[in-house]
Amino acid sequence: DGGITQSPKYLFRKEGQNVTLSCEQNLNHDAMYWYRQDPGQGLRLIYYSQIVNDFQKGDIAEGYSVSREKKESFPLTVTSAQKNPTAFYLCASSIDGRGSNYGYTFGSGTRLTVV
Amino acid sequence: KQEVTQIPAALSVPEGENLVLNCSFTDSAIYNLQWFRQDPGKGLTSLLLIQSSQREQTSGRLNASLDKSSGRSTLYIAASQPGDSATYLCAASYNTDKLIFGTGTRLQVFP
Repeated sequence: DGGITQSPKYLFRKEGQNVTLSCEQNLNHDAMYWYRQDPGQGLRLIYYSQIVNDFQKGDIAEGYSVSREKKESFPLTVTSAQKNPTAFYLCASSIDGRGSNYGYTFGSGTRLTVV
Repeated sequence: KQEVTQIPAALSVPEGENLVLNCSFTDSAIYNLQWFRQDPGKGLTSLLLIQSSQREQTSGRLNASLDKSSGRSTLYIAASQPGDSATYLCAASYNTDKLIFGTGTRLQVFP
């Protein structure tokens, strides 16, 4: 079955550490996205990529970095510069950057906690 | 500024009721609107996608409508069941390559 796989499901980060969240899709989608979800707030866009080797900052990119070396993969690194990283992180993809006729597909999420 | 609002924030209904969830968006130049379901601690599951040229979409007991002129979309759930309990999110897509999400409506259907 086609879909998006996020790993790990739970991740714990110590102060000052960088951690990387994995996102892999086998849908042959061009565009991929990272969102952050906090209680009581809507999903906020961190980074997105419409094509391999290209990506753009979203609304809350500070303290995060991404790469898009392969079409299927869009890993997110939470750096030590991100002062409040505890949140639920969701990866998504779409055929093109506007959802076209099929909309957006989301992964099952990674819950990151600072310890 | 492009914003999406969902009312009510929470809803509790007895099993069997028909119910309507509301979604409002400030910019009517919408590309499409998508409704999602989220169970606690889980990712988002797509329910319905309405293109800007469409007025409604149906899937089983779910019906979503779109009125661009008034900046509103509604999700109608017929004959609600306890298994429908979840948070429902709407998201608007514009010609800006990203989704704008509402904060969701948390639905509880009790037996």
